Amino acid sequence: QQPVQSPQAVILREGEDAVINCSSSKALYSVHWYRQKHGEAPVFLMILLKGGEQKGHDKISASFNEKKQQSSLYLTASQLSYSGTYFCGTEILDNYGQNFVFGPGTRLSVLP
Amino acid sequence: KAGVTQTPRYLIKTRGQQVTLSCSPISGHRSVSWYQQTPGQGLQFLFEYFSETQRNKGNFPGRFSGRQFSNSRSEMNVSTLELGDSALYLCASSLVGETEQFFGPGTRLTVL
Repeated sequence: QQPVQSPQAVILREGEDAVINCSSSKALYSVHWYRQKHGEAPVFLMILLKGGEQKGHDKISASFNEKKQQSSLYLTASQLSYSGTYFCGTEILDNYGQNFVFGPGTRLSVLP
Repeated sequence: KAGVTQTPRYLIKTRGQQVTLSCSPISGHRSVSWYQQTPGQGLQFLFEYFSETQRNKGNFPGRFSGRQFSNSRSEMNVSTLELGDSALYLCASSLVGETEQFFGPGTRLTVL
């Protein structure tokens, strides 16, 4: 089952902060975050493998709450280059076996 | 280090035909995953190959198949094309296990 992401879309001004949430009705064993710019392939941001784990680089960080089955991506002091669609992904085990599912994406637009 | 390459980049086919897409992973990467991306369904996992074996498979009909060669290069085949198969097909390579995936630029397939 596909993770749920919120919000679906967000518009920011340069320098503002944003939070993107990813949650699942099934247990999350790991969470991957990717960003895809228009017309380009998704690019890896980070993986969180353990509950309580937090990671970050530059001004983008993420947390993983295993008990709540959710992860959040934090973008601080956003830059124009942060614009794109952000996807969370996780491995699940379903009737078809083990596969990797992405959320529907959150479209982030950073305006000057 | 060269990135993931996919050929062809664009393809136009008619209903009923079949198509083969190719993916060359990053050198040293043994896992190759395939995804279908459409505006309506988002990023959907097709299958993953590791050491020439299909390790995982998503919820797609048997018309979608793939294989991996000893040099880790992978091909994806879609037989009896339908209009709904029009999509961007992305392949991603990774080392093994819970590691980041590196995406290729994708093959844009249009079925008329």
